[in-house]
Amino acid sequence: GNSVTQMEGPVTLSEEAFLTINCTYTATGYPSLFWYVQYPGEGLQLLLKATKADDKGSNKGFEATYRKETTSFHLEKGSVQVSDSAVYFCALSDPRRRGGSQGNLIFGKGTKLSVKP
Amino acid sequence: GAGVSQSPSNKVTEKGKDVELRCDPISGHTALYWYRQSLGQGLEFLIYFQGNSAPDKSGLPSDRFSAERTGGSVSTLTIQRTQQEDSAVYLCASSLRSGASGGRTDTQYFGPGTRLTVL
Repeated sequence: GNSVTQMEGPVTLSEEAFLTINCTYTATGYPSLFWYVQYPGEGLQLLLKATKADDKGSNKGFEATYRKETTSFHLEKGSVQVSDSAVYFCALSDPRRRGGSQGNLIFGKGTKLSVKP
Repeated sequence: GAGVSQSPSNKVTEKGKDVELRCDPISGHTALYWYRQSLGQGLEFLIYFQGNSAPDKSGLPSDRFSAERTGGSVSTLTIQRTQQEDSAVYLCASSLRSGASGGRTDTQYFGPGTRLTVL
């Protein structure tokens, strides 16, 4: 079945450091890939997404490229800020699934990022 | 416009009692999802409604869990005879549509969640 594997946290970085959070997936069909972020005390928010191979999603300085050959969607940011401290979730959705739910998200376990000033 | 809202924000109940959790999706969104977030299991899909179609209940962990969506809008998740392992944050999300033709997936917008604690 479909699944998402994220690097385990927590990840602690100093401000302005480079961030990579690895995400790989297993899926049938043609999944869409997402990164969601959950800031302390807040709900899940979509950070970025990519719907087909080689697409690059980007938002707030974060980027992730849909790599079909390596089944990966790693999240990167060149210079993190204290305000980026949050839990990051990689997720996939297979919109072409038939017979079952179309579009429900399958999440990774989440990676907690702490950025120190 | 308003986002997805959920109520109550926190619920403490005793083992064996029934609870109802409410979700108000974004107006006009035809797809509605329930997820559960717990320490041990992460984020799990529970159930999904799309328009007037029969809901996809494939993620419900037991027959103590049920959900309905009235009038294509508000949804209620009911947990009967609650157990301690039901303690989690229950998240609702909605999207404009789901599994749209051409392989496009619409963005899901999440509510703040209901934190359920079963004593």
